[in-house]
Amino acid sequence: AQKVTQAQTEISVVEKEDVTLDCVYETRDTTYYLFWYKQPPSGELVFLIRRNSFDEQNEISGRYSWNFQKSTSSFNFTITASQVVDSAVYFCALSEGYNNNDMRFGAGTRLTVKP
Amino acid sequence: DTAVSQTPKYLVTQMGNDKSIKCEQNLGHDTMYWYKQDSKKFLKIMFSYNNKELIINETVPNRFSPKSPDKAHLNLHINSLELGDSAVYFCASRPTGPGYGYTFGSGTRLTVV
Repeated sequence: AQKVTQAQTEISVVEKEDVTLDCVYETRDTTYYLFWYKQPPSGELVFLIRRNSFDEQNEISGRYSWNFQKSTSSFNFTITASQVVDSAVYFCALSEGYNNNDMRFGAGTRLTVKP
Repeated sequence: DTAVSQTPKYLVTQMGNDKSIKCEQNLGHDTMYWYKQDSKKFLKIMFSYNNKELIINETVPNRFSPKSPDKAHLNLHINSLELGDSAVYFCASRPTGPGYGYTFGSGTRLTVV
């Protein structure tokens, strides 16, 4: 069964600090997809990124970057120069198989960025 | 236009009542889902529908029943509401094919008193 572990329940940083959110996954499939979602205090779930199991290239989008390492089954998310608006709960998720019929979420990491 | 819309946004009701949450997507996606988010923020899949067929039915109480009149709608009916049903319920949709992320609705906060 697929499983996603976000060991960090809560993280608190001061604005402009860099912060990394950890995600470790378990799957028996060779084809799978990894996702990150952001849930700000307003409550909606915002898609950030997806990565398939055959693409281990790291990705950078502005202050956000993602490090995918199959060797350690990790898909970590780093925010550089954090801002107060980054305060949210961040979810890592996994779906297996070619048609990724369902998505399983980690428990989430609550990030608080203080001014 | 809202891609995935849920109504109502808030729902307060008494134990034992029956209620429905509606979900509509205008993205042309083939698969729709219902997720439950509990007070600890844990997101759990409840149901999914693909072309009007139920393809995932997690171990949720049979008081919960999804209804899909067409590909664009997936409503959630809950009978005999219990205190433990209080949560935020999210509707989501995605296209057929590998690698697509979900588009979520804004959520419905259900409070059972």
